[in-house]
Amino acid sequence: EDQVTQSPEALRLQEGESSSLNCSYTVSGLRGLFWYRQDPGKGPEFLFTLYSAGEEKEKERLKATLTKKESFLHITAPKPEDSATYLCAVPPTPYSSASKIIFGSGTRLSIRP
Amino acid sequence: EAGVAQSPRYKIIEKRQSVAFWCNPISGHATLYWYQQILGQGPKLLIQFQNNGVVDDSQLPKDRFSAERLKGVDSTLKIQPAKLEDSAVYLCASSLEDVRLGQPQHFGDGTRLSIL
Repeated sequence: EDQVTQSPEALRLQEGESSSLNCSYTVSGLRGLFWYRQDPGKGPEFLFTLYSAGEEKEKERLKATLTKKESFLHITAPKPEDSATYLCAVPPTPYSSASKIIFGSGTRLSIRP
Repeated sequence: EAGVAQSPRYKIIEKRQSVAFWCNPISGHATLYWYQQILGQGPKLLIQFQNNGVVDDSQLPKDRFSAERLKGVDSTLKIQPAKLEDSAVYLCASSLEDVRLGQPQHFGDGTRLSIL
């Protein structure tokens, strides 16, 4: 069964303390992996799409990377405004058992000033 | 470009009442999705439209939920009658093409539904 698992569930960091969030997936024939940021009371905001292993994308203090089994969202020198829930999602492929996009349950990131 | 618009932002009803949500996608986006998001979980797809046709509604509780997308633009999602377990945020999203082609979705801010 296709699955998307995010870890950790919650992460508390001090301002400036770099770390990584993980998204592991079991979907065959990946056609893309999406990262979203979700603030309380808001809808998910699109951040990145990664299409193939080895690909990297950056936006401000965020860098997303992709391997054949997982994706990492690296946060460098985070600021309190980076506090949010980060979601990853994988769309179905012709080779996967899932017929619809699968979202992970997210990582709640909290940055203390 | 204007984002996905949803209304209302909040709704409180009693169980067994009915409720409707409205969504206006990003202009030119052919694909529209309705999701249910329960606190602490990722969004769960309820229904996907391609233009005004249904692509996937396998997780839509059809005995109480209905959705339509007239003229391939705006969409409404209705719940009748509501149950306590329907308390959630209902998100609408749109994409240029089907997400299965690798196109990202863009979300509205959702409707927070509370059932008393």
